[in-house]
Amino acid sequence: TQLLEQSPQFLSIQEGENLTVYCNSSSVFSSLQWYRQEPGEGPVLLVTVVTGGEVKKLKRLTFQFGDARKDSSLHITAAQPGDTGLYLCAGATEDSNYQLIWGAGTKLIIKP
Amino acid sequence: SQTIHQWPATLVQPVGSPLSLECTVEGTSNPNLYWYRQAAGRGLQLLFYSVGIGQISSEVPQNLSASRPQDRQFILSSKKLLLSDSGFYLCAWSDRPVVNEAFFGQGTRLTVV
Repeated sequence: TQLLEQSPQFLSIQEGENLTVYCNSSSVFSSLQWYRQEPGEGPVLLVTVVTGGEVKKLKRLTFQFGDARKDSSLHITAAQPGDTGLYLCAGATEDSNYQLIWGAGTKLIIKP
Repeated sequence: SQTIHQWPATLVQPVGSPLSLECTVEGTSNPNLYWYRQAAGRGLQLLFYSVGIGQISSEVPQNLSASRPQDRQFILSSKKLLLSDSGFYLCAWSDRPVVNEAFFGQGTRLTVV
C-alpha cells in the first residue's frame, strides 16, 4: 500500500511565526502537489513539483521536493491569519497508474 | 479557461431516499473525472474515477455508483442512502498525464437523516 504521511496533523501558531509541514513516503513520486482548502470549499492547487531537489516559492510559501522524490515540505514564513486552512499533499506514482495518492492533511490555524 | 461546476452545495436527504449529484466541466476535452469523499478536516478518499465516457473505476465498495453519460459530465448516485453516506463530496478533473493535477468543484455537503 502506498502512503503519504503528512505531519503534523494539526498546528496552531501565532501570527508572524514560521512553520513547516512535511509529507513523507517510502515510494518514489513522479510529481507531488500541495493544495490548500478552506472550510466548505474544494481544495485549490498551490504548486506542483516534479524534479528531485526542486524548490518553488509562492510569496511567503516555499515548497521543496526531496532529492529522492520521496518527500516534500511546505515552509511558511511570517504566517498570517489568511494562511489558515487545511493543507493537503498529493503525489502520483507509476505504481498507482498516476492516480493521486493523498496525505491526510495538516490543519493550520494562525492566531492574530 | 476551464471551470468545474458541482451542485447542489448542500443536501439533506432521508435514509432510504435516492441521490444524484452532478458535476460538469467546461473548457477542456476528455478530462479524467473524479468523485471524492472527505471526512471533516481530513484527507480525501477516492470513490470513483473515469478516463472517458462510460468508463468508471470504483476504488471502494459502497452504496454509491457513478456514471459518465457525456465527456464532461460526471454523476454520483445512490438508490437508497444510508446514514453513513453523509459527508462532503468533491468532484475533480485533471487533464495532464502523469502529473495529474486535480481541480476541484465547490463540493456538496450531504447529510442523511
